[in-house]
Amino acid sequence: QLQLQDSGPGLVKPSETLSLTCTVSGGSISRTSYYWGWIRQPPGKGLEWIGSIYYSGTTYYNPSLKSRITISVDTSKNQFSLKLSSVTAADTAVYYCAGGPNFFDYWGQGTLVTVSS
Amino acid sequence: EIVMTQSPATLSVSPGERATLSCRASQSVSSNLAWYQQKPGQAPRLLIYGASTRATGIPARFSGTGSGTEFTLTISSLQSEDFAVYYCQQYNNWLPITFGQGTRLEIK
Repeated sequence: QLQLQDSGPGLVKPSETLSLTCTVSGGSISRTSYYWGWIRQPPGKGLEWIGSIYYSGTTYYNPSLKSRITISVDTSKNQFSLKLSSVTAADTAVYYCAGGPNFFDYWGQGTLVTVSS
Repeated sequence: EIVMTQSPATLSVSPGERATLSCRASQSVSSNLAWYQQKPGQAPRLLIYGASTRATGIPARFSGTGSGTEFTLTISSLQSEDFAVYYCQQYNNWLPITFGQGTRLEIK
């Protein structure tokens, strides 16, 4: 049974870069046909897909965020990471890491990231 | 971008009764649709994928139907633990993957 654990700072200053890491346990991040993604949820609102990565390094980004996103994978550590640059208050949200073949059947617990000075 | 529209926004149903939630896509997503349940303070949980296949461990009272642009999630006999927010998600077009805005299922 896969488990995902996301980690990173809960407070980021405006204009800085948000960085989160997701550690996968109970299985390999290199499993065939699984994609590893980031989804966010502003307080009281719905879910927004940020982007996904395959273990080979192929990435898929939400066009609305593409200019600010970098998602990377480290298969040696069974981890994948998110960087979101030039953050504003609108980026305040719970950030989830998740994995699955196209949909998401494994989720991390979520990290609340607040953008504030 | 494929826009997913869920209705109603809020659904009030009594325990033991049936709940029917709808999800409409702005263009065909074939059967590439998933449903999730989210309770307060928790991550979403996958219920249904491929429009009608229950995920591992999901009770049989949850069922999904539909294809193309119209989808339905039915909960046949509501239990207390089923009151939550439900989201649909299309994965037919990855750029971007999109979710519906959610339906809140509340106790009547």
